Amino acid sequence: NAGVMQNPRHLVRRRGQEARLRCSPMKGHSHVYWYRQLPEEGLKFMVYLQKENIIDESGMPKERFSAEFPKEGPSILRIQQVVRGDSAAYFCASSSDAYEQYFGPGTRLTVT
Amino acid sequence: GDSVTQMEGPVTLSEEAFLTINCTYTATGYPSLFWYVQYPGEGLQLLLKATKADDKGSNKGFEATYRKETTSFHLEKGSVQVSDSAVYFCALDEGGATNKLIFGTGTLLAVQP
Repeated sequence: NAGVMQNPRHLVRRRGQEARLRCSPMKGHSHVYWYRQLPEEGLKFMVYLQKENIIDESGMPKERFSAEFPKEGPSILRIQQVVRGDSAAYFCASSSDAYEQYFGPGTRLTVT
Repeated sequence: GDSVTQMEGPVTLSEEAFLTINCTYTATGYPSLFWYVQYPGEGLQLLLKATKADDKGSNKGFEATYRKETTSFHLEKGSVQVSDSAVYFCALDEGGATNKLIFGTGTLLAVQP
């Protein structure tokens, strides 16, 4: 059973470009969480989704950030008009029951 | 809101030394508590968990006991190995409708041969 997959593993964007981060949950998991890890800090919750629904986006910045988890395909975290402060590691976790979360390897975003 | 505080690192130990990484929490309810480990360049792996007071989680020689009276969940291991070098995160599960995790800032453990 493959684990949580994230791609790309590393992403470099120039200021003002868009970044799209993908997360494929473990087979049978319908709950997806996104967390952000800034340098030298712990992970911060961003958003929690179930298929086709955003359940909790209390940790998402109000502007430029959006997330989706369509009926088919991976969950996408989209950052528009990236700025240097968006440079971080973005981790996705999935769960079958909204209890135990399994983490992917992360996408390390660098904004130049 | 809920929060997790863990000791700052880095923690540097010699192989076979005893390890303690302190973790305390603040929560309004009765959260589940977790320790995650992050090896260099990788994602987080669940190390152990405890779901209620006085529960002891254990895995790979690591253990932690859920202490409600001191709101603590300290991580211990009797004899560390070089391969234990990693960043360790304490976390709590807020519960409710989302079960989102609240993390501490992480503690870097470096074990020297």
